[in-house]
Amino acid sequence: DAKTTQPPSMDCAEGRAANLPCNHSTISGNEYVYWYRQIHSQGPQYIIHGLKNNETNEMASLIITEDRKSSTLILPHATLRDTAVYYCIELIPSLILTGGGNKLTFGTGTQLKVEL
Amino acid sequence: NAGVMQNPRHLVRRRGQEARLRCSPMKGHSHVYWYRQLPEEGLKFMVYLQKENIIDESGMPKERFSAEFPKEGPSILRIQQVVRGDSAAYFCASFRDRGSLTTEAFFGQGTRLTVV
Repeated sequence: DAKTTQPPSMDCAEGRAANLPCNHSTISGNEYVYWYRQIHSQGPQYIIHGLKNNETNEMASLIITEDRKSSTLILPHATLRDTAVYYCIELIPSLILTGGGNKLTFGTGTQLKVEL
Repeated sequence: NAGVMQNPRHLVRRRGQEARLRCSPMKGHSHVYWYRQLPEEGLKFMVYLQKENIIDESGMPKERFSAEFPKEGPSILRIQQVVRGDSAAYFCASFRDRGSLTTEAFFGQGTRLTVV
């Protein structure tokens, strides 16, 4: 089962920033926070990931609290095409694990609806 | 660099037939996940494969389902004697063990299996 908790849904006006929260209060020291999204009927799309420092890429920014118990994904200027289910996932990258391999465990995510 | 390719995109099978779903990972990727998404539900992990090895099959149903990832060629998810409850979208994801601490998985567009 997924260990993160997210609000089931959020609305955002087009052009505004979308801030999607995620609680991961039981995260361990070597677990990263990954964000994926799934636009209707498509395969999940990787967005961003981080360990403890804030991260930014061309798609989004990831803000991780100092105690690492929660994070926020920020889409700075949301568009209609950002309407999707957003998933926050804890993951230990494969090389850290003895024997290798770990899997993405998807929870129910947050349904973000971007409106005009 | 082509993305993860899944085929067929849509597959219709009668009850009792076999379904074979193919996944070609991204170039240079030697790790594959399979996920299943039932209608209106979340993504559920099925199996994690490396070339010629099954790493984690904890999400695979005990009967009728099998998966392989041969040294050459695509990964295959095989469902024997399909039943209506197997109707779902099946997604494949691949990632590359790059020797770094962080990896991201890239998903295909899925195969939508309909059992009639």
